[in-house]
Amino acid sequence: DTAVSQTPKYLVTQMGNDKSIKCEQNLGHDTMYWYKQDSKKFLKIMFSYNNKELIINETVPNRFSPKSPDKAHLNLHINSLELGDSAVYFCASSQVMSQAYEQYFGPGTRLTVT
Amino acid sequence: GESVGLHLPTLSVQEGDNSIINCAYSNSASDYFIWYKQESGKGPQFIIDIRSNMDKRQGQRVTVLLNKTVKHLSLQIAATQPGDSAVYFCAENVDLTGANSKLTFGKGITLSVRP
Repeated sequence: DTAVSQTPKYLVTQMGNDKSIKCEQNLGHDTMYWYKQDSKKFLKIMFSYNNKELIINETVPNRFSPKSPDKAHLNLHINSLELGDSAVYFCASSQVMSQAYEQYFGPGTRLTVT
Repeated sequence: GESVGLHLPTLSVQEGDNSIINCAYSNSASDYFIWYKQESGKGPQFIIDIRSNMDKRQGQRVTVLLNKTVKHLSLQIAATQPGDSAVYFCAENVDLTGANSKLTFGKGITLSVRP
């Protein structure tokens, strides 16, 4: 019954590696997002996709590449990981065109780069 | 810099008291605001929202007040309970119905409930 799910929950890897985080939502929403939360709990949007199309791409290094195979999935691939990429990454979804705009967040993926 | 911010980083309240969490925003074009609660190890959870054509909205034990004149948003929690202990975020949105609308989050404030 999980609305927005992410895998893995924890990811520990070394600098220079490439890793992916997966996200799925079963809410039937048409918009999905990736957020990064730093150690001070500051949440910042990275990307948004609407019906598999990239809509928002904040100033994120091009080592980060989102991929949306269908509107229920938005994966995040990160190349050449750096220490500064360590953070908690949250996926979220919303139905932009509905009356409500709340975004539903996944449980987060804690990425630690050593 | 961020357009949304919170006045205090932490708030400690006695169980049973009312809590008020304040938030300032700077974008007068913002048309929608949300409060989220984030418990340790979890993703943010929706609490309550308000559109810019309203100045007050009530939920269960929570009330959001919007003062557009001074660009201020507050979250009031009645009869605060230990389960309310969490980090709270306000967020604002511009262009609510547009496909490129996005939420800008303020800095979180930690609410700590004393037994």
